[in-house]
Amino acid sequence: AQSVAQPEDQVNVAEGNPLTVKCTYSVSGNPYLFWYVQYPNRGLQFLLKYITGDNLVKGSYGFEAEFNKSQTSFHLKKPSALVSDSALYFCAVRPSGGGADGLTFGKGTHLIIQP
Amino acid sequence: ETGVTQTPRHLVMGMTNKKSLKCEQHLGHNAMYWYKQSAKKPLELMFVYNFKEQTENNSVPSRFSPECPNSSHLFLHLHTLQPEDSALYLCASSQVGGVAGELFFGEGSRLTVL
Repeated sequence: AQSVAQPEDQVNVAEGNPLTVKCTYSVSGNPYLFWYVQYPNRGLQFLLKYITGDNLVKGSYGFEAEFNKSQTSFHLKKPSALVSDSALYFCAVRPSGGGADGLTFGKGTHLIIQP
Repeated sequence: ETGVTQTPRHLVMGMTNKKSLKCEQHLGHNAMYWYKQSAKKPLELMFVYNFKEQTENNSVPSRFSPECPNSSHLFLHLHTLQPEDSALYLCASSQVGGVAGELFFGEGSRLTVL
């Protein structure tokens, strides 16, 4: 069975500073990794994914994530945070392949960007 | 027309009521999912439908009954629920056989059980 750990319940960053939201995973075989964002009273929006290839993945709204196989991590990053980035962020994993496996999610990290 | 539409957005029901949540996807996907999101808990995968066939049921109580009449529609029938079933219920869809198969989510149905 696969699992995802997001060790921080909340991350506080000043506007304009770089941000990192941490994620580690456990899965049999090669992973497919995802980041989603959720704004209050909304569903989850897809940000980016890692399938294979380049370890640095770029996604929506200027976010990027770095896959590190040896550390089984997939941290979300952004060079310069915006107040509008404040939201709940979820990391998710599934085994590689084209099946209908649901994603396994972490518990989420609240990102708070302070003006 | 958004990709995945869920109705109703909000539902309040008593423990003896019977209600249904509806999900419709307009993305041409062939797999659909129900997730439960409770406060301070990870998202819980409840049911998976692949080409209308249920392929996963993660030990969900029988008071939750899914129905998938075709690959575009998914229902969650609710009966004799408990207050601890109050949560945000999220529907999602994906393309099986596509690369990576990220899920696309609806806005959710906020359920309150009194």
